[in-house]
Amino acid sequence: AQTVTQSQPEMSVQEAETVTLSCTYDTSESNYYLFWYKQPPSRQMILVIRQEAYKQQNATENRFSVNFQKAAKSFSLKISDSQLGDTAMYFCAFMKHSGTSGTYKYIFGTGTRLKVLA
Amino acid sequence: EPEVTQTPSHQVTQMGQEVILRCVPISNHLYFYWYRQILGQKVEFLVSFYNNEISEKSEIFDDQFSVERPDGSNFTLKIRSTKLEDSAMYFCARGPVERGGSETQYFGPGTRLLVL
Repeated sequence: AQTVTQSQPEMSVQEAETVTLSCTYDTSESNYYLFWYKQPPSRQMILVIRQEAYKQQNATENRFSVNFQKAAKSFSLKISDSQLGDTAMYFCAFMKHSGTSGTYKYIFGTGTRLKVLA
Repeated sequence: EPEVTQTPSHQVTQMGQEVILRCVPISNHLYFYWYRQILGQKVEFLVSFYNNEISEKSEIFDDQFSVERPDGSNFTLKIRSTKLEDSAMYFCARGPVERGGSETQYFGPGTRLLVL
């Protein structure tokens, strides 16, 4: 069974600084996808970034980028120029094809609570 | 891409009562999912649904749970006899509008269920 581990329950960073959130996963699959979701206090799940396992190039979305190390099964999220609005819980998620009808499912980590300090 | 809406946003119920949570897609999607998040814990997969059938269900999704899409639009999650431990945030997520589309799932805002 796949597992996702986020070893940092809480982190803090000064506004405008850079922070990296760690995520490791365990799978025997070769085709899968990795995601980072942000969950602010409203508890809405907001997609931050995604990475296809078959792509070697690391995904980037504005201030957000990932360091994907497939052999090490590591998928960290770097947030540059941190802003107060980045304060939230961040979940790493593994996704693979599952079920009988072309569906997929997420397996989430336990989350990292990030606080951006003014 | 458009996401989904969920109703109600909050629900308080007595233990043993039935609750129905609704997911309303904005456009005609084929794939739907339910996840739940107990307060302070991670998000967990409950069930996936395609073409009016369950594709996969987790061990959490026992006989007390059911899903259906009764009018071809709303996608519902029913809990027949709620237990205290069913208190959680329930998220609906939708998949692509066509088979073979992007696998990324887009979440609704959630329904916060409290069982007393």
